[in-house]
Amino acid sequence: DVKVTQSSRYLVKRTGEKVFLECVQDMDHENMFWYRQDPGLGLRLIYFSYDVKMKEKGDIPEGYSVSREKKERFSLILESASTNQTSMYLCASSLSFSYEQYFGPGTRLTVT
Amino acid sequence: AQKVTQAQTEISVVEKEDVTLDCVYETRDTTYYLFWYKQPPSGELVFLIRRNSFDEQNEISGRYSWNFQKSTSSFNFTITASQVVDSAVYFCALSASNDYKLSFGAGTTVTVRA
Repeated sequence: DVKVTQSSRYLVKRTGEKVFLECVQDMDHENMFWYRQDPGLGLRLIYFSYDVKMKEKGDIPEGYSVSREKKERFSLILESASTNQTSMYLCASSLSFSYEQYFGPGTRLTVT
Repeated sequence: AQKVTQAQTEISVVEKEDVTLDCVYETRDTTYYLFWYKQPPSGELVFLIRRNSFDEQNEISGRYSWNFQKSTSSFNFTITASQVVDSAVYFCALSASNDYKLSFGAGTTVTVRA
């Protein structure tokens, strides 16, 4: 069974704080993804990574950065959190392109 | 450009009724993959099925079945004899071959009442 875990289910941060969201997968998948999900806007891809230390911008990378130092771990960083980054953040991994993505439980981030 | 349309925003049924979720897609690629995901109230997206564009056979898995019709660019999902545990948001998604991007539909919220 593929397992994708995220460091927190719920997180509350203050405006301007640096926020780290961690994601770990245990299936040796090549690709990892970060999405945010907002009512009415659906799932939007922030960043993805196809290999260690390799990353590509998704549809909405502004205000975010990522890090992938190890194959199993993919971190999303909010350099200076803002209230418009309050959202559900979902991490996913897949064996390769066009394969199904397996999602973690999500982190509901509130920035006040 | 790829696009997935789930025209039904919400569906409400009584337990044991069948429910069909529509998914219509647009793509210029000849090789592509279609997916369905379930998102229960807990929030985690659960993968249900992956289908490639060359395989138009219908699939059944327990109470779930999928109807892929290339001629109408549709990949519909039916839950037979629905149960309360089927209450969730269901997403259809599309990916071109060798493409990282998974294009999701807006989702259909299914509520099954006891």
